[in-house]
Amino acid sequence: DTAVSQTPKYLVTQMGNDKSIKCEQNLGHDTMYWYKQDSKKFLKIMFSYNNKELIINETVPNRFSPKSPDKAHLNLHINSLELGDSAVYFCASSLGDRAFFGQGTRLTVV
Amino acid sequence: AQSVSQHNHHVILSEAASLELGCNYSYGGTVNLFWYVQYPGQHLQLLLKYFSGDPLVKGIKGFEAEFIKSKFSFNLRKPSVQWSDTAEYFCAVSTGGSNYKLTFGKGTLLTVNP
Repeated sequence: DTAVSQTPKYLVTQMGNDKSIKCEQNLGHDTMYWYKQDSKKFLKIMFSYNNKELIINETVPNRFSPKSPDKAHLNLHINSLELGDSAVYFCASSLGDRAFFGQGTRLTVV
Repeated sequence: AQSVSQHNHHVILSEAASLELGCNYSYGGTVNLFWYVQYPGQHLQLLLKYFSGDPLVKGIKGFEAEFIKSKFSFNLRKPSVQWSDTAEYFCAVSTGGSNYKLTFGKGTLLTVNP
Protein backbone atom coordinates (compact mmCIF):
# COMPACT_ATOMS: atom_id res chain seq x y z
CA ASP A 1 0.00 0.00 0.00
CA THR A 2 2.84 2.36 -0.89
CA ALA A 3 1.58 5.94 -0.93
CA VAL A 4 4.01 7.43 -3.46
CA SER A 5 5.89 5.03 -5.66
CA GLN A 6 8.63 5.76 -8.16
CA THR A 7 10.14 3.53 -10.79
CA PRO A 8 12.86 2.68 -11.36
CA LYS A 9 14.71 2.94 -8.07
CA TYR A 10 18.07 2.98 -9.80
CA LEU A 11 18.88 4.08 -13.31
CA VAL A 12 22.30 4.00 -14.93
CA THR A 13 22.56 5.32 -18.46
CA GLN A 14 24.96 6.85 -20.91
CA MET A 15 25.27 10.48 -21.82
CA GLY A 16 22.98 11.55 -24.62
CA ASN A 17 20.28 8.99 -23.88
CA ASP A 18 16.63 9.79 -23.16
CA LYS A 19 15.07 8.30 -20.05
CA SER A 20 11.86 8.51 -18.04
CA ILE A 21 11.08 8.17 -14.36
CA LYS A 22 7.53 7.29 -13.37
CA CYS A 23 5.66 8.37 -10.27
CA GLU A 24 2.29 7.29 -8.97
CA GLN A 25 0.42 8.22 -5.81
CA ASN A 26 -2.62 6.46 -4.38
CA LEU A 27 -3.47 9.10 -1.80
CA GLY A 28 -5.97 11.02 -3.86
CA HIS A 29 -3.81 14.14 -3.64
CA ASP A 30 -4.27 16.98 -6.08
CA THR A 31 -0.68 18.19 -6.17
CA MET A 32 2.45 16.35 -7.21
CA TYR A 33 6.09 17.41 -7.38
CA TRP A 34 9.50 16.50 -8.61
CA TYR A 35 12.50 17.35 -6.45
CA LYS A 36 16.17 16.89 -7.27
CA GLN A 37 18.73 15.98 -4.62
CA ASP A 38 22.25 16.61 -5.84
CA SER A 39 25.49 15.02 -4.72
CA LYS A 40 25.68 17.44 -1.82
CA LYS A 41 22.26 16.27 -0.60
CA PHE A 42 20.69 19.61 -1.41
CA LEU A 43 17.02 19.23 -2.32
CA LYS A 44 15.47 21.59 -4.77
CA ILE A 45 12.03 21.66 -6.31
CA MET A 46 11.83 21.21 -10.07
CA PHE A 47 8.15 21.03 -10.96
CA SER A 48 4.76 21.05 -9.36
CA TYR A 49 1.45 19.98 -10.88
CA ASN A 50 -1.99 20.58 -9.50
CA ASN A 51 -4.81 18.57 -11.06
CA LYS A 52 -2.65 17.84 -14.11
CA GLU A 53 -1.82 21.51 -14.56
CA LEU A 54 1.74 22.82 -14.29
CA ILE A 55 1.99 25.19 -11.32
CA ILE A 56 5.68 25.50 -10.55
CA ASN A 57 8.47 25.28 -13.08
CA GLU A 58 11.75 26.27 -11.54
CA THR A 59 14.84 27.01 -13.55
CA VAL A 60 15.24 23.59 -15.08
CA PRO A 61 16.71 22.86 -18.52
CA ASN A 62 14.02 22.20 -21.09
CA ARG A 63 15.54 18.75 -21.57
CA PHE A 64 13.41 17.92 -18.52
CA SER A 65 9.75 17.52 -19.35
CA PRO A 66 7.13 16.46 -16.82
CA LYS A 67 4.00 14.71 -17.97
CA SER A 68 0.86 14.28 -15.92
CA PRO A 69 -1.61 11.97 -17.69
CA ASP A 70 -3.92 12.06 -14.70
CA LYS A 71 -4.00 13.32 -11.13
CA ALA A 72 -2.32 10.23 -9.75
CA HIS A 73 0.68 10.22 -12.05
CA LEU A 74 3.54 12.61 -12.70
CA ASN A 75 6.28 11.26 -14.91
CA LEU A 76 9.59 12.91 -15.62
CA HIS A 77 11.17 12.57 -19.04
CA ILE A 78 14.75 13.65 -19.59
CA ASN A 79 16.27 14.12 -23.04
CA SER A 80 19.94 14.12 -23.97
CA LEU A 81 21.15 13.20 -20.51
CA GLU A 82 24.28 14.92 -19.22
CA LEU A 83 26.76 13.99 -16.49
CA GLY A 84 25.41 16.78 -14.32
CA ASP A 85 21.98 15.21 -14.31
CA SER A 86 23.27 12.51 -11.99
CA ALA A 87 21.28 12.89 -8.77
CA VAL A 88 18.47 11.41 -6.76
CA TYR A 89 15.06 12.50 -7.99
CA PHE A 90 12.20 12.50 -5.54
CA CYS A 91 8.55 12.54 -6.43
CA ALA A 92 6.10 13.83 -3.85
CA SER A 93 2.42 14.53 -3.49
CA SER A 94 0.51 16.74 -1.13
CA LEU A 95 -2.96 17.74 -0.05
CA GLY A 96 -2.81 20.94 1.91
CA ASP A 97 -0.13 20.95 4.51
CA ARG A 98 1.87 17.78 4.21
CA ALA A 99 3.94 16.28 1.46
CA PHE A 100 4.57 12.57 1.07
CA PHE A 101 7.73 11.54 -0.70
CA GLY A 102 8.60 8.59 -2.85
CA GLN A 103 11.72 6.56 -2.20
CA GLY A 104 13.69 8.39 -4.84
CA THR A 105 15.28 7.37 -8.11
CA ARG A 106 19.04 7.41 -8.18
CA LEU A 107 20.05 8.42 -11.69
CA THR A 108 23.67 7.92 -12.69
CA VAL A 109 24.82 9.23 -16.05
CA VAL A 110 28.08 7.76 -17.30
CA ALA B 1 11.83 34.29 -2.13
CA GLN B 2 12.32 32.26 1.00
CA SER B 3 15.59 30.57 1.92
CA VAL B 4 16.67 28.17 4.63
CA SER B 5 20.05 27.88 6.35
CA GLN B 6 21.22 24.91 8.36
CA HIS B 7 24.33 25.76 10.27
CA ASN B 8 25.83 22.37 10.79
CA HIS B 9 26.92 20.23 7.90
CA HIS B 10 27.89 17.19 9.98
CA VAL B 11 27.27 16.55 13.65
CA ILE B 12 28.82 13.61 15.49
CA LEU B 13 27.49 12.59 18.88
CA SER B 14 27.70 9.69 21.25
CA GLU B 15 24.57 7.86 22.33
CA ALA B 16 22.64 9.58 25.10
CA ALA B 17 24.05 12.99 24.21
CA SER B 18 21.64 15.85 23.66
CA LEU B 19 21.03 17.17 20.18
CA GLU B 20 20.27 20.58 18.79
CA LEU B 21 20.34 21.27 15.06
CA GLY B 22 20.10 24.86 13.94
CA CYS B 23 17.77 26.15 11.26
CA ASN B 24 17.15 29.74 10.21
CA TYR B 25 14.92 30.97 7.45
CA SER B 26 14.45 34.22 5.64
CA TYR B 27 11.00 35.31 4.59
CA GLY B 28 9.01 38.35 5.51
CA GLY B 29 5.59 36.78 5.72
CA THR B 30 3.88 33.85 7.38
CA VAL B 31 5.69 30.56 7.03
CA ASN B 32 5.09 26.92 7.74
CA LEU B 33 8.14 25.10 9.07
CA PHE B 34 9.16 21.48 8.84
CA TRP B 35 11.87 19.06 9.77
CA TYR B 36 12.35 16.02 7.56
CA VAL B 37 14.62 13.06 8.16
CA GLN B 38 16.24 10.79 5.63
CA TYR B 39 17.59 7.53 7.06
CA PRO B 40 20.30 5.82 5.05
CA GLY B 41 18.84 4.38 1.87
CA GLN B 42 15.33 5.56 2.65
CA HIS B 43 13.04 8.36 1.54
CA LEU B 44 12.32 11.56 3.32
CA GLN B 45 9.94 11.35 6.26
CA LEU B 46 8.29 14.14 8.16
CA LEU B 47 9.55 14.52 11.74
CA LEU B 48 7.45 17.47 12.78
CA LYS B 49 5.88 20.66 11.51
CA TYR B 50 4.80 24.05 12.75
CA PHE B 51 1.92 26.02 11.29
CA SER B 52 0.60 28.11 14.15
CA GLY B 53 -0.12 27.99 17.87
CA ASP B 54 2.30 26.66 20.46
CA PRO B 55 5.80 27.43 19.16
CA LEU B 56 7.16 24.31 20.82
CA VAL B 57 6.30 21.43 18.55
CA LYS B 58 6.67 17.78 19.42
CA GLY B 59 7.27 15.23 16.69
CA ILE B 60 7.91 11.56 16.31
CA LYS B 61 10.71 9.59 17.98
CA GLY B 62 11.19 12.08 20.79
CA PHE B 63 12.13 15.05 18.62
CA GLU B 64 10.89 18.56 19.22
CA ALA B 65 11.48 21.95 17.67
CA GLU B 66 10.93 25.49 18.82
CA PHE B 67 9.83 28.29 16.55
CA ILE B 68 11.33 31.63 17.63
CA LYS B 69 9.81 34.21 15.36
CA SER B 70 12.10 37.05 16.43
CA LYS B 71 15.13 34.99 15.48
CA PHE B 72 13.61 33.41 12.36
CA SER B 73 14.70 30.09 13.79
CA PHE B 74 13.26 26.60 14.07
CA ASN B 75 15.87 24.49 15.84
CA LEU B 76 15.45 20.76 16.23
CA ARG B 77 16.19 19.13 19.58
CA LYS B 78 16.28 15.74 21.21
CA PRO B 79 17.35 15.21 24.83
CA SER B 80 19.06 11.87 24.30
CA VAL B 81 20.01 10.52 20.88
CA GLN B 82 20.25 6.89 19.87
CA TRP B 83 22.38 5.14 17.30
CA SER B 84 19.23 4.70 15.18
CA ASP B 85 18.94 8.49 14.87
CA THR B 86 21.87 8.47 12.48
CA ALA B 87 20.44 10.14 9.38
CA GLU B 88 20.32 13.31 7.32
CA TYR B 89 18.03 16.01 8.70
CA PHE B 90 16.44 18.66 6.54
CA CYS B 91 14.78 21.84 7.65
CA ALA B 92 12.21 23.20 5.23
CA VAL B 93 9.88 26.14 4.90
CA SER B 94 6.79 26.76 2.88
CA THR B 95 4.73 29.86 2.48
CA GLY B 96 1.61 27.77 2.41
CA GLY B 97 -1.39 28.44 0.25
CA SER B 98 -2.75 26.14 -2.39
CA ASN B 99 0.49 26.24 -4.39
CA TYR B 100 2.42 24.45 -1.74
CA LYS B 101 6.15 24.67 -2.23
CA LEU B 102 8.86 23.49 0.08
CA THR B 103 12.25 25.12 0.21
CA PHE B 104 14.84 22.94 1.87
CA GLY B 105 18.00 23.66 3.74
CA LYS B 106 21.12 21.83 2.68
CA GLY B 107 20.73 19.22 5.39
CA THR B 108 22.70 18.15 8.44
CA LEU B 109 24.20 14.71 8.64
CA LEU B 110 23.91 13.33 12.17
CA THR B 111 26.17 10.46 13.10
CA VAL B 112 25.52 8.83 16.46
CA ASN B 113 28.26 6.57 17.72
CA PRO B 114 27.26 3.66 19.97
